[in-house]
Amino acid sequence: DAGITQSPRHKVTETGTPVTLRCHQTENHRYMYWYRQDPGHGLRLIHYSYGVKDTDKGEVSDGYSVSRSKTEDFLLTLESATSSQTSVYFCATLDSYNQPQHFGDGTRLSIL
Amino acid sequence: AQSVAQPEDQVNVAEGNPLTVKCTYSVSGNPYLFWYVQYPNRGLQFLLKYITGDNLVKGSYGFEAEFNKSQTSFHLKKPSALVSDSALYFCAVRDPIAGNMLTFGGGTRLMVKP
Repeated sequence: DAGITQSPRHKVTETGTPVTLRCHQTENHRYMYWYRQDPGHGLRLIHYSYGVKDTDKGEVSDGYSVSRSKTEDFLLTLESATSSQTSVYFCATLDSYNQPQHFGDGTRLSIL
Repeated sequence: AQSVAQPEDQVNVAEGNPLTVKCTYSVSGNPYLFWYVQYPNRGLQFLLKYITGDNLVKGSYGFEAEFNKSQTSFHLKKPSALVSDSALYFCAVRDPIAGNMLTFGGGTRLMVKP
């Protein structure tokens, strides 16, 4: 989606290191989401935000934290990366609940 | 709790033939239903949605889906498949009563052969 930028697009790191993924939107959407995509599991919600400094946990939040200091930016942090967090991470935004979510192109994270 | 099932990991169809990708759901209230498509190394792209109204919903690229409340299904269909339709397809549901999170099915890989 043209209005959502995820960075980095690819990252390889070692177990135990901190990692931060960034999602930047130009849509001015209120809601933002972080998902992880793993084979056979579809997309699973990690954390979401319903406004600046307002965040909550999703289905698979253990080992992850988030922050949203501005409407346009939503950061996902792995405090101490583990191999089980190797995945593709997607950010999404939402304007209102009867509308579809818009997705970024993902970050492929490999933890060795 | 809401859930979505896509019973087929992969669907194979010949170009020009009709295609169906199946989706069933479970919610407490009236569902909001969505179909997304994912091409390699890309994010999910929205195809169509059902919120209320006509059970037959038309979307992008000639796709349509039929909402069937009695069978709790929302199958994706296209009358004539193209090779370029080959991709990963996800069904998703939101239950406004249970909360507003989107739950995704596991995905179905569609392979259209020339």
